[in-house]
Amino acid sequence: DVKVTQSSRYLVKRTGEKVFLECVQDMDHENMFWYRQDPGLGLRLIYFSYDVKMKEKGDIPEGYSVSREKKERFSLILESASTNQTSMYLCASSFLGPSNTGELFFGEGSRLTVL
Amino acid sequence: GNSVTQMEGPVTLSEEAFLTINCTYTATGYPSLFWYVQYPGEGLQLLLKATKADDKGSNKGFEATYRKETTSFHLEKGSVQVSDSAVYFCALSDSRSSASKIIFGSGTRLSIRP
Repeated sequence: DVKVTQSSRYLVKRTGEKVFLECVQDMDHENMFWYRQDPGLGLRLIYFSYDVKMKEKGDIPEGYSVSREKKERFSLILESASTNQTSMYLCASSFLGPSNTGELFFGEGSRLTVL
Repeated sequence: GNSVTQMEGPVTLSEEAFLTINCTYTATGYPSLFWYVQYPGEGLQLLLKATKADDKGSNKGFEATYRKETTSFHLEKGSVQVSDSAVYFCALSDSRSSASKIIFGSGTRLSIRP
């Protein structure tokens, strides 16, 4: 079974702090994604990566950056956390290639509260 | 651009009732369509999918048919159980993207009364 592991289930940070959210997948997937989930808004894509050291902006990249130094690991960074970044953050991965129908495999989520 | 619209919740039903959650989409080309489910305290997991027109996806008693003529992918179940209480997301794959981006609807919360 594919396993996507997010490092922290719950975090509480203060405004202005730097926050790292880590995600690791064990199925050699090329694609990795960071979404945030907010009530009534569904899932919104922050950033994604289709290869090591490659990244592309999603729909809401402002205030975030990412790092992909190894194929299995994709990190989301909040350089200076703000209260409007309080949310549930979901990491996902998928295969790349002609047999890929786009199915995503998700981690359990990291609930971040910024005070 | 591509988008997904699903019925707003919450939806509350009694056990053994018939369920329909509506989903319509706007897309260029021929996207794949998905239903994902999120149980309380968990991440999303794929419930079912369909990759071309007239395909029917099914899993755990749930079904959805890819209707190109009506651009719809409605989720149905004949007899719901308390354990089906969750948030359901309709989604499509953006095949134009090299990373096969998935676009999600806003989610529908389903609660089943015993």
